[in-house]
Amino acid sequence: KAGVTQTPRYLIKTRGQQVTLSCSPISGHRSVSWYQQTPGQGLQFLFEYFSETQRNKGNFPGRFSGRQFSNSRSEMNVSTLELGDSALYLCASSLEGTRLSTDTQYFGPGTRLTVL
Amino acid sequence: QQPVQSPQAVILREGEDAVINCSSSKALYSVHWYRQKHGEAPVFLMILLKGGEQKGHEKISASFNEKKQQSSLYLTASQLSYSGTYFCGTVNQGGKLIFGQGTELSVKP
Repeated sequence: KAGVTQTPRYLIKTRGQQVTLSCSPISGHRSVSWYQQTPGQGLQFLFEYFSETQRNKGNFPGRFSGRQFSNSRSEMNVSTLELGDSALYLCASSLEGTRLSTDTQYFGPGTRLTVL
Repeated sequence: QQPVQSPQAVILREGEDAVINCSSSKALYSVHWYRQKHGEAPVFLMILLKGGEQKGHEKISASFNEKKQQSSLYLTASQLSYSGTYFCGTVNQGGKLIFGQGTELSVKP
């Protein structure tokens, strides 16, 4: 079974631009979660999507948004990029999501975003 | 609220043991443990559930004290391959999986 894939793997943008990151979950998984990883902050939860609906949201500004399609693929968008948005963005998929607390999350390799 | 992990970093010699702790100020439904090697994605190790059930890695053990809202990961007879950053994630009533800051483990020959 193929794992979680994320595209692109690396991205360089300038301040003020917007960016869209893509995540394809493991086949059959309906939940996709997004995390921001930085050296100082660790893994910060952004949001979770399940069956095309946002089910949970972390404490990030409205510039961060996402969506999920009917095939469970998910995209994350960051508008008006700031220098502090430079980070590794990870997505994770699971069968039913963390509302079912026994569900295992499988992470993708991440997209490394650099904002200049 | 983010769980707190301790220690932040630990250096071991091969064969030594280590304990990584994770605590939360909120009631927990489950605790998830992941290991991330440099430049790679986090990899699932174990889930601990209320009531004592565990699901995960055969060679790694962990405990979950529901009353104290704490979990500990026990790494025994460490190998070089155990090196990496260990994250605990806690799921509370809201259903979010929130990760701690991570514990960096280095195993030296």
